[in-house]
Amino acid sequence: EVQLVQSGAEVKKPGESLKISCEGSGYSFSNYYIAWMRQMPGKGLEWVGIMHPGDSDVRYSPSFQGQVTMSADRSINIAYLQWTSLKASDTALYYCARPMIEHGYSGSDGGYLDYWGQGTLVTVSS
Amino acid sequence: DIQLTQSPSFLSASVGDRVSITCRASLGINKYLAWYQLKPGKAPKLLIYDASTLQSGVPSRFSGSGSGTEFTLTISSLQPEDFATYWCQQLKSYPFTFGPGTKVDIK
Repeated sequence: EVQLVQSGAEVKKPGESLKISCEGSGYSFSNYYIAWMRQMPGKGLEWVGIMHPGDSDVRYSPSFQGQVTMSADRSINIAYLQWTSLKASDTALYYCARPMIEHGYSGSDGGYLDYWGQGTLVTVSS
Repeated sequence: DIQLTQSPSFLSASVGDRVSITCRASLGINKYLAWYQLKPGKAPKLLIYDASTLQSGVPSRFSGSGSGTEFTLTISSLQPEDFATYWCQQLKSYPFTFGPGTKVDIK
């Protein structure tokens, strides 16, 4: 059974660093992209970016470029989203998700997100 | 970025009603549109991809149509478990933007 299990809720102060995780199981982790999404309180979903654990191909939304870093450790099937200096505006629920097709990331190659993690709530407050 | 708008933003309906949600793209996106369902405390669920293909395991009362810039998600007979928020997402070009969502509530 394919599963994406995300790390638990975090409460941080502005300026602190943070790394949240998304562990994949039940499939070949290295062969599928992992996408990250943000949902700010009371708002809709925003696409943060996508990365391929197998070849480290990474694509960020311009809104998030330079604000977060996506990475993965394929030896333990975990993808990460990290911040070096959190802001209050980073407070949100973050989801990871996996596309339906190996190596697919866009609509033309089956990159639709069919497995999602349960979400990690990040709260940044002084 | 390709902008997606959804209408209505809120929909109040009864069990058994036929409901439709529209998603419009600021640029043509061919058929590269997905619909997701989100319920509080649960992970989002892929309902429709390629604008009209039903994801495996999704009830047939859900259907999708459209191409280019205008798309529709239809629920033919609303069931109690369908009260949720629905989002569209385009996967034509980066960033793969989402619509603002449509909340379907019980009348």
